[in-house]
Amino acid sequence: AQKITQTQPGMFVQEKEAVTLDCTYDTSDPSYGLFWYKQPSSGEMIFLIYQGSYDQQNATEGRYSLNFQKARKSANLVISASQLGDSAMYFCAMRDTQGGSEKLVFGKGTKLTVNP
Amino acid sequence: DTGVSQDPRHKITKRGQNVTFRCDPISEHNRLYWYRQTLGQGPEFLTYFQNEAQLEKSRLLSDRFSAERPKGSFSTLEIQRTEQGDSAMYLCASSYSRGIEETQYFGPGTRLLVL
Repeated sequence: AQKITQTQPGMFVQEKEAVTLDCTYDTSDPSYGLFWYKQPSSGEMIFLIYQGSYDQQNATEGRYSLNFQKARKSANLVISASQLGDSAMYFCAMRDTQGGSEKLVFGKGTKLTVNP
Repeated sequence: DTGVSQDPRHKITKRGQNVTFRCDPISEHNRLYWYRQTLGQGPEFLTYFQNEAQLEKSRLLSDRFSAERPKGSFSTLEIQRTEQGDSAMYLCASSYSRGIEETQYFGPGTRLLVL
């Protein structure tokens, strides 16, 4: 069964420093996609970055990068040069094609607090 | 470029009442998803549509829940005879089907409180 594990309920980082948010996943499907979303206190889920299981290189989008280690089934999000506006919940999610499902399966999230 | 919109943003109701939520997807997206998020958890999948066809429903979607997407545009999610356990954030997302890399874009959500 699909499963996403985020082991860090909360993380703190100083403004302008980098931070890594952990995500491990479990699937038996060789084809899958991994996504990270940001959820500010307003509630909207904001798409940040995507990594496909067959992608040879780690995904990057501006200050966000994904440290994808396929053998370890991990897809950690790295945020460089943290800003106060990065304070939010961050969710890792996975989509595979097992059983023809199109849904995203989410982890429980990590609350990131950026300190000035 | 207009994103996914949801209405209402907040809803307070009494136990036993019916409520209906609306979601307007990004215009060119053919898929529409509903998720439910309770406090301290990630979103959980409820159901999804491709165009007007409802193709998948979670076991979380009890008989009191019904969703529609007439004409493959906006969608409604109705909860009948609400219970306190229905209190949650209801999130709508839309996407354009394109294989495993398909990205779902979410709306602002509807926060439901059942008293």
